[in-house]
Amino acid sequence: EAQVTQNPRYLITVTGKKLTVTCSQNMNHEYMSWYRQDPGLGLRQIYYSMNVEATDKGDVPEGYKVSRKEKRNFPLILESPSPNQTSLYFCASTPRGYLSGELFFGEGSRLTVL
Amino acid sequence: DAKTTQPPSMDCAEGRAANLPCNHSTISGNEYVYWYRQIHSQGPQYIIHGLKNNETNEMASLIITEDRKSSTLILPHATLRDTAVYYCIVRVALSIDKFYFGSGTKLNVKP
Repeated sequence: EAQVTQNPRYLITVTGKKLTVTCSQNMNHEYMSWYRQDPGLGLRQIYYSMNVEATDKGDVPEGYKVSRKEKRNFPLILESPSPNQTSLYFCASTPRGYLSGELFFGEGSRLTVL
Repeated sequence: DAKTTQPPSMDCAEGRAANLPCNHSTISGNEYVYWYRQIHSQGPQYIIHGLKNNETNEMASLIITEDRKSSTLILPHATLRDTAVYYCIVRVALSIDKFYFGSGTKLNVKP
Protein backbone atom coordinates (compact mmCIF):
# COMPACT_ATOMS: atom_id res chain seq x y z
CA GLU A 1 0.00 0.00 0.00
CA ALA A 2 1.30 3.44 -0.99
CA GLN A 3 1.78 5.51 2.12
CA VAL A 4 3.67 8.15 4.05
CA THR A 5 4.50 6.99 7.57
CA GLN A 6 5.31 9.33 10.44
CA ASN A 7 6.59 8.44 13.89
CA PRO A 8 5.84 9.11 16.63
CA ARG A 9 2.17 9.97 16.19
CA TYR A 10 2.00 11.57 19.63
CA LEU A 11 4.81 12.93 21.77
CA ILE A 12 5.05 14.99 24.92
CA THR A 13 8.51 16.32 25.71
CA VAL A 14 10.20 19.06 27.68
CA THR A 15 11.94 22.23 26.59
CA GLY A 16 15.44 21.66 25.26
CA LYS A 17 15.31 17.90 24.85
CA LYS A 18 16.29 17.07 21.28
CA LEU A 19 13.83 15.02 19.31
CA THR A 20 13.39 13.63 15.82
CA VAL A 21 10.15 12.96 13.98
CA THR A 22 10.69 10.41 11.25
CA CYS A 23 8.97 10.35 7.88
CA SER A 24 9.18 7.56 5.35
CA GLN A 25 7.45 7.05 2.00
CA ASN A 26 7.31 3.90 -0.12
CA MET A 27 6.39 5.49 -3.46
CA ASN A 28 9.87 6.47 -4.70
CA HIS A 29 8.88 10.14 -4.66
CA GLU A 30 11.52 12.80 -5.25
CA TYR A 31 9.72 15.58 -3.39
CA MET A 32 9.10 15.53 0.36
CA SER A 33 8.09 18.28 2.74
CA TRP A 34 7.13 19.06 6.32
CA TYR A 35 4.23 21.22 7.47
CA ARG A 36 2.99 22.39 10.80
CA GLN A 37 -0.63 23.13 11.52
CA ASP A 38 -1.78 25.48 14.23
CA PRO A 39 -5.32 26.65 15.04
CA GLY A 40 -6.31 29.56 12.83
CA LEU A 41 -3.07 29.46 10.82
CA GLY A 42 -3.69 26.56 8.46
CA LEU A 43 -0.80 24.50 7.10
CA ARG A 44 2.58 26.18 6.92
CA GLN A 45 5.59 24.68 5.21
CA ILE A 46 8.69 24.16 7.35
CA TYR A 47 11.19 22.56 4.95
CA TYR A 48 11.05 20.75 1.68
CA SER A 49 13.34 18.55 -0.38
CA MET A 50 13.27 18.12 -4.13
CA ASN A 51 15.62 15.14 -4.06
CA VAL A 52 18.36 13.42 -2.07
CA GLU A 53 20.80 15.90 -0.54
CA ALA A 54 18.63 18.82 -1.74
CA THR A 55 16.71 20.59 1.01
CA ASP A 56 15.36 24.11 1.28
CA LYS A 57 13.57 26.32 3.77
CA GLY A 58 9.85 26.79 3.67
CA ASP A 59 7.94 29.57 5.37
CA VAL A 60 8.64 28.72 9.02
CA PRO A 61 12.04 26.96 9.26
CA GLU A 62 13.29 28.54 12.51
CA GLY A 63 14.05 25.97 15.18
CA TYR A 64 13.99 23.00 12.81
CA LYS A 65 16.49 20.98 10.83
CA VAL A 66 16.02 18.30 8.19
CA SER A 67 18.15 15.89 6.25
CA ARG A 68 17.61 13.85 3.10
CA LYS A 69 20.26 11.16 2.89
CA GLU A 70 17.96 8.60 1.30
CA LYS A 71 15.10 9.10 -1.10
CA ARG A 72 12.50 7.46 1.13
CA ASN A 73 13.28 9.23 4.44
CA PHE A 74 12.98 12.86 5.48
CA PRO A 75 13.35 13.28 9.25
CA LEU A 76 12.45 16.50 11.05
CA ILE A 77 14.82 17.41 13.85
CA LEU A 78 14.10 19.75 16.74
CA GLU A 79 17.51 20.37 18.32
CA SER A 80 16.17 22.34 21.29
CA PRO A 81 12.37 22.27 21.33
CA SER A 82 10.45 25.17 22.80
CA PRO A 83 6.77 25.46 23.77
CA ASN A 84 5.99 27.48 20.62
CA GLN A 85 6.80 24.35 18.61
CA THR A 86 3.81 22.59 20.13
CA SER A 87 1.84 21.76 17.02
CA LEU A 88 0.47 19.14 14.67
CA TYR A 89 3.09 18.14 12.10
CA PHE A 90 2.53 16.58 8.69
CA CYS A 91 4.98 15.04 6.28
CA ALA A 92 4.08 14.80 2.61
CA SER A 93 5.55 13.50 -0.64
CA THR A 94 4.92 13.64 -4.37
CA PRO A 95 6.76 12.96 -7.61
CA ARG A 96 8.34 16.05 -9.16
CA GLY A 97 6.78 17.97 -11.97
CA TYR A 98 3.44 19.47 -12.93
CA LEU A 99 1.86 16.26 -14.07
CA SER A 100 2.71 14.45 -10.90
CA GLY A 101 -0.69 14.85 -9.31
CA GLU A 102 -1.36 14.73 -5.66
CA LEU A 103 0.69 15.43 -2.59
CA PHE A 104 0.42 12.42 -0.28
CA PHE A 105 0.21 13.21 3.42
CA GLY A 106 1.09 11.22 6.48
CA GLU A 107 -1.36 10.88 9.35
CA GLY A 108 0.30 13.56 11.42
CA SER A 109 2.42 13.81 14.57
CA ARG A 110 1.05 15.74 17.49
CA LEU A 111 3.88 17.25 19.50
CA THR A 112 3.57 18.94 22.89
CA VAL A 113 6.57 20.75 24.35
CA LEU A 114 6.26 21.58 28.06
CA ASP B 1 1.83 36.88 0.64
CA ALA B 2 -1.27 34.71 0.58
CA LYS B 3 -1.79 33.18 -2.83
CA THR B 4 -5.33 32.00 -2.12
CA THR B 5 -8.31 33.45 -0.30
CA GLN B 6 -11.27 31.38 0.89
CA PRO B 7 -14.34 32.10 3.00
CA PRO B 8 -13.86 30.74 6.52
CA SER B 9 -17.05 28.70 6.58
CA MET B 10 -20.07 27.61 4.54
CA ASP B 11 -23.20 25.59 5.13
CA CYS B 12 -24.79 23.14 2.74
CA ALA B 13 -27.89 20.95 2.95
CA GLU B 14 -27.36 17.23 2.62
CA GLY B 15 -27.99 16.04 -0.93
CA ARG B 16 -27.47 19.47 -2.43
CA ALA B 17 -24.44 20.66 -4.36
CA ALA B 18 -21.71 22.38 -2.34
CA ASN B 19 -19.90 25.14 -4.20
CA LEU B 20 -16.69 26.27 -2.53
CA PRO B 21 -15.04 29.38 -3.96
CA CYS B 22 -11.38 30.31 -4.00
CA ASN B 23 -9.71 33.49 -5.11
CA HIS B 24 -6.16 33.25 -6.53
CA SER B 25 -5.88 36.54 -8.38
CA THR B 26 -2.06 36.54 -8.48
CA ILE B 27 -1.69 33.07 -9.97
CA SER B 28 0.81 32.70 -12.81
CA GLY B 29 0.21 30.86 -16.05
CA ASN B 30 2.19 27.79 -15.06
CA GLU B 31 0.84 27.39 -11.51
CA TYR B 32 -1.68 24.69 -10.73
CA VAL B 33 -4.72 24.88 -8.45
CA TYR B 34 -5.19 21.97 -6.05
CA TRP B 35 -7.99 21.18 -3.64
CA TYR B 36 -7.64 19.10 -0.50
CA ARG B 37 -9.86 18.44 2.46
CA GLN B 38 -9.12 17.63 6.07
CA ILE B 39 -11.46 15.82 8.40
CA HIS B 40 -10.73 16.63 12.03
CA SER B 41 -6.94 16.47 12.40
CA GLN B 42 -6.31 13.69 9.92
CA GLY B 43 -3.84 14.05 7.07
CA PRO B 44 -5.24 16.21 4.25
CA GLN B 45 -6.91 14.22 1.49
CA TYR B 46 -6.45 15.02 -2.19
CA ILE B 47 -9.59 15.92 -4.13
CA ILE B 48 -8.68 17.35 -7.52
CA HIS B 49 -6.32 19.69 -9.34
CA GLY B 50 -6.20 21.63 -12.59
CA LEU B 51 -4.37 24.23 -14.64
CA LYS B 52 -6.92 26.08 -16.78
CA ASN B 53 -9.48 23.57 -18.00
CA ASN B 54 -12.36 22.38 -15.89
CA GLU B 55 -11.74 19.01 -14.31
CA THR B 56 -14.01 16.29 -12.96
CA ASN B 57 -13.37 13.09 -11.08
CA GLU B 58 -15.41 10.73 -8.94
CA MET B 59 -15.27 13.08 -5.96
CA ALA B 60 -15.78 16.55 -7.35
CA SER B 61 -15.59 19.05 -10.19
CA LEU B 62 -13.20 21.96 -10.46
CA ILE B 63 -14.27 25.04 -12.38
CA ILE B 64 -11.52 27.55 -13.15
CA THR B 65 -12.45 30.94 -14.57
CA GLU B 66 -11.07 31.89 -17.95
CA ASP B 67 -8.74 34.50 -16.45
CA ARG B 68 -7.67 31.90 -13.83
CA LYS B 69 -8.12 34.38 -11.00
CA SER B 70 -10.61 32.20 -9.19
CA SER B 71 -11.98 28.69 -9.03
CA THR B 72 -14.87 26.76 -7.55
CA LEU B 73 -14.87 23.27 -6.13
CA ILE B 74 -18.20 21.54 -6.60
CA LEU B 75 -19.31 18.54 -4.56
CA PRO B 76 -22.39 17.51 -6.55
CA HIS B 77 -24.36 15.75 -3.81
CA ALA B 78 -22.97 16.63 -0.40
CA THR B 79 -23.30 14.07 2.39
CA LEU B 80 -22.70 14.44 6.12
CA ARG B 81 -19.30 12.76 5.61
CA ASP B 82 -18.25 15.70 3.43
CA THR B 83 -18.17 17.93 6.50
CA ALA B 84 -14.52 19.01 6.61
CA VAL B 85 -12.12 21.87 6.07
CA TYR B 86 -11.43 22.38 2.36
CA TYR B 87 -8.14 23.90 1.27
CA CYS B 88 -7.49 25.64 -2.01
CA ILE B 89 -3.80 25.44 -2.89
CA VAL B 90 -1.57 26.94 -5.55
CA ARG B 91 1.38 24.85 -6.64
CA VAL B 92 4.47 26.61 -7.92
CA ALA B 93 6.91 24.26 -9.65
CA LEU B 94 9.79 25.96 -11.43
CA SER B 95 13.21 26.04 -9.82
CA ILE B 96 11.39 25.45 -6.56
CA ASP B 97 8.36 23.30 -5.89
CA LYS B 98 6.02 24.75 -3.28
CA PHE B 99 2.42 24.31 -2.32
CA TYR B 100 0.78 27.47 -1.00
CA PHE B 101 -2.12 26.58 1.27
CA GLY B 102 -5.04 28.89 1.85
CA SER B 103 -6.63 29.19 5.28
CA GLY B 104 -9.42 26.81 4.30
CA THR B 105 -13.21 26.78 4.32
CA LYS B 106 -15.04 24.78 6.96
CA LEU B 107 -17.95 23.13 5.12
CA ASN B 108 -20.83 22.14 7.37
CA VAL B 109 -23.20 19.71 5.71
CA LYS B 110 -26.51 19.69 7.53
CA PRO B 111 -29.31 17.10 7.46
